[in-house]
Amino acid sequence: DAGVIQSPRHEVTEMGQEVTLRCKPISGHNSLFWYRQTMMRGLELLIYFNNNVPIDDSGMPEDRFSAKMPNASFSTLKIQPSEPRDSAVYFCASRTSEPNEQFFGPGTRLTVL
Amino acid sequence: AQSVAQPEDQVNVAEGNPLTVKCTYSVSGNPYLFWYVQYPNRGLQFLLKYITGDNLVKGSYGFEAEFNKSQTSFHLKKPSALVSDSALYFCAVRDNTGKLIFGQGTTLQVKP
Repeated sequence: DAGVIQSPRHEVTEMGQEVTLRCKPISGHNSLFWYRQTMMRGLELLIYFNNNVPIDDSGMPEDRFSAKMPNASFSTLKIQPSEPRDSAVYFCASRTSEPNEQFFGPGTRLTVL
Repeated sequence: AQSVAQPEDQVNVAEGNPLTVKCTYSVSGNPYLFWYVQYPNRGLQFLLKYITGDNLVKGSYGFEAEFNKSQTSFHLKKPSALVSDSALYFCAVRDNTGKLIFGQGTTLQVKP
């Protein structure tokens, strides 16, 4: 299995631009998680889906952030408009049923200038 | 509220010596506990978990962790540290909605 796949691996953009991060979970996994990691705030859960349905989006910072999971094999995290404080590494993770562990992707390093 | 604490920002140990990375938790009900490791510029990798059963859990790369209910702790241990174990380690507990609550992480530095 290829593991969780994220694209792009690196993204540099200018303030105000739209950014879309993509994730392909491991086949057969039915839960998907989006995290953000920064030095200041550590690892934060943004949103998670179960069977393609958003279960908890309480970690989404503000309306500029949105996430979708149109099918079991694809999810996007969109930031519009982006701001410099959004600069971070964004991770996607997937899992089968509980209480199994989550498998993390390699992350997308986002830099907003 | 559920929470996880990793009281040490960094742990330094000499190669060949035993290592311990500390974790304490607060959760209602029976805890599900996890340890992950993160190498530079990589995603988190699962090491081990405690769900139920034996309090001593064995995981990847020779790591183990001991669940202590009375002390609400789940410390990560390894009998003999390797330089290649140097990384960032995260403890996590499942909350009652199914999410993982992660600690702030502990940097392990193993010196030759």
